[in-house]
Amino acid sequence: ELKVEQNPLFLSMQEGKNYTIYCNYSTTSDRLYWYRQDPGKSLESLFVLLSNGAVKQEGRLMASLDTKARLSTLHITAAVHDLSATYFCAGGSQGGNKLVFGAGTILRVKS
Amino acid sequence: NAGVTQTPKFQVLKTGQSMTLQCAQDMNHNSMYWYRQDPGMGLRLIYYSASEGTTDKGEVPNGYNVSRLNKREFSLRLESAAPSQTSVYFCASSEVKDKQYFGPGTRLTVT
Repeated sequence: ELKVEQNPLFLSMQEGKNYTIYCNYSTTSDRLYWYRQDPGKSLESLFVLLSNGAVKQEGRLMASLDTKARLSTLHITAAVHDLSATYFCAGGSQGGNKLVFGAGTILRVKS
Repeated sequence: NAGVTQTPKFQVLKTGQSMTLQCAQDMNHNSMYWYRQDPGMGLRLIYYSASEGTTDKGEVPNGYNVSRLNKREFSLRLESAAPSQTSVYFCASSEVKDKQYFGPGTRLTVT
């Protein structure tokens, strides 16, 4: 059974700093997703990672996938206040459509 | 193109009452999902439908039923609401192994 763990669960950052959110998963997963959720809102897809070594970047966010280590990372470069949100990773169950979500990382960027 | 829509947005129920949450998507996706979101626990899958005419249990199905009415619509029914079902409910849709698109959510309180 696939389990997904994120850390840290809460991250308070200063503007301009860099940081990384980690997502570990327990068994083989054939795809990894990152979502963003603003308070009181729905989830918005950020990245879809489908293969070992996949790296995707959008603005100040970069996501990568290491399937051998069962690890995905979301790297934040030079954080700005607008990045404050909750970030979820989710692993796809092999052979099916189901996703298993991590508990989420609450990111607060302070000016 | 509305994406995924959910009704109602908010609902308060008394213990033992029943209700149906409605979800519709206009992206012609085959797969649809119902999740609940509780603080600190990420999203947990209640039920999903891989294609029209099929439904399967997710991680937390007890106390819920679903109906895949047609390709567009997927409803979630609470037959006898309990305070433990107080949560935010999200519907989502996707193509096979693709990213999921989420609706705006229904905030349900059971007193």
